Amino acid sequence: QVQLKETGPDLVQLTQTLSITCTVSGFSLTTYNVHWVRQPPGKGLEWMGAMWNGGGTDYNSAFKSRLSISRDTSKSQVFLKMNSLQTDDTAKYFCARDSLYFDYWGQGVMVTVSS
Amino acid sequence: DIQMTQSPASLSASLGETVTIECLASEDIYSNLAWYQQKPGKSPQLLIYYANSLNDGVPSRFSGSGSGTQYSLKINSLQSEDVSIYFCQQNYDSPYTFGAGTKLELK
Repeated sequence: QVQLKETGPDLVQLTQTLSITCTVSGFSLTTYNVHWVRQPPGKGLEWMGAMWNGGGTDYNSAFKSRLSISRDTSKSQVFLKMNSLQTDDTAKYFCARDSLYFDYWGQGVMVTVSS
Repeated sequence: DIQMTQSPASLSASLGETVTIECLASEDIYSNLAWYQQKPGKSPQLLIYYANSLNDGVPSRFSGSGSGTQYSLKINSLQSEDVSIYFCQQNYDSPYTFGAGTKLELK
């Protein structure tokens, strides 16, 4: 069955770099797009970016040049990397499969940015 | 960027009641709208896609409608398990923006 699972650190220091891995199963990264969405505590959802099935990427300009998304199709993994973290980057980070809509989501990983 | 204005921000209703949540896009999104349900501590779950198509396994008391810039989610005969936060999202154009959410509680 389709599954996505995010793994990453619970805590990241201010100004450091966040790295999260989304490991998928039940579908191919060369067939489906995968998106990253984050949610600060008690707040709404923010679309961050996407890894297209053809290997291209798309980013929310709100993250300017801080964000990078990549993948390893042989391992069925999509990677999020974001640098220069600030306290307002504290959030739960989700990956989601896109079949025109976000039909499957991972459980998310809660990341706290600490000074 | 396309702005999604969702209303109301919170809603209190009784069991068995019908509730409606609305979403207004800042430009025409040609029915490229989804509704998600999120329960506390969980990831969002897709309810409705392409404005009015029910996702597999979603109870038929949920329905979506709308076109152009105006969309709505209706829940008939409210059940206790419907207590959640509901989000709309446009996937017409990047960035794929979400509404701010509607918190639905039982009266």
